[in-house]
Amino acid sequence: DTEVTQTPKHLVMGMTNKKSLKCEQHMGHRAMYWYKQKAKKPPELMFVYSYEKLSINESVPSRFSPECPNSSLLNLHLHALQPEDSALYLCASSPPAGFGYTFGSGTRLTVV
Amino acid sequence: AQSVTQLDSHVSVSEGTPVLLRCNYSSSYSPSLFWYVQHPNKGLQLLLKYTSAATLVKGINGFEAEFKKSETSFHLTKPSAHMSDAAEYFCVVSDPSGTYKYIFGTGTRLKVLA
Repeated sequence: DTEVTQTPKHLVMGMTNKKSLKCEQHMGHRAMYWYKQKAKKPPELMFVYSYEKLSINESVPSRFSPECPNSSLLNLHLHALQPEDSALYLCASSPPAGFGYTFGSGTRLTVV
Repeated sequence: AQSVTQLDSHVSVSEGTPVLLRCNYSSSYSPSLFWYVQHPNKGLQLLLKYTSAATLVKGINGFEAEFKKSETSFHLTKPSAHMSDAAEYFCVVSDPSGTYKYIFGTGTRLKVLA
């Protein structure tokens, strides 16, 4: 299995909702990432997990809460989002640094 | 500090003609460099990577890139463009400090004309 699987593919949520994005990989990668991508822009790093521990938080607002239950799964819990949080959320995984990421196909999030 | 500059935000080529997407990097260390492609409403796919082995790197779909340390460049080329190559291309450099952070260029949108 050489894929990163993200669910759901599309999500529409109100500003008072709580939802979660899920990401799964079975390549044995020990680093997993959440990126946010706005239209016509490069991806922006949000969080990095290394060996199931949060190693980087790029000053992301607390309405985004990551979780890494095990080495294959990565979640992003969403609560009280704003319309400007609407974006493509990408999950990625990698072996040690320098070998390149494998990206999922993303979750298109719309906050209404 | 690491940085990467993609010199063209848009490139248009005719189908069957060569493709050149330019990337320059800045690094205090010997970098790892990557090219990714993103088709509309899709995730990013790794085209090729340079990790200090051969300077000419061959990737998928006929793409290749040459690492030139003297010019601090890692330009992406393809001899003959296909309509399916129309997409956004990102040049990426890894942070060698072991933090797993990758630095993305701003992207080049490739348009292929029939």
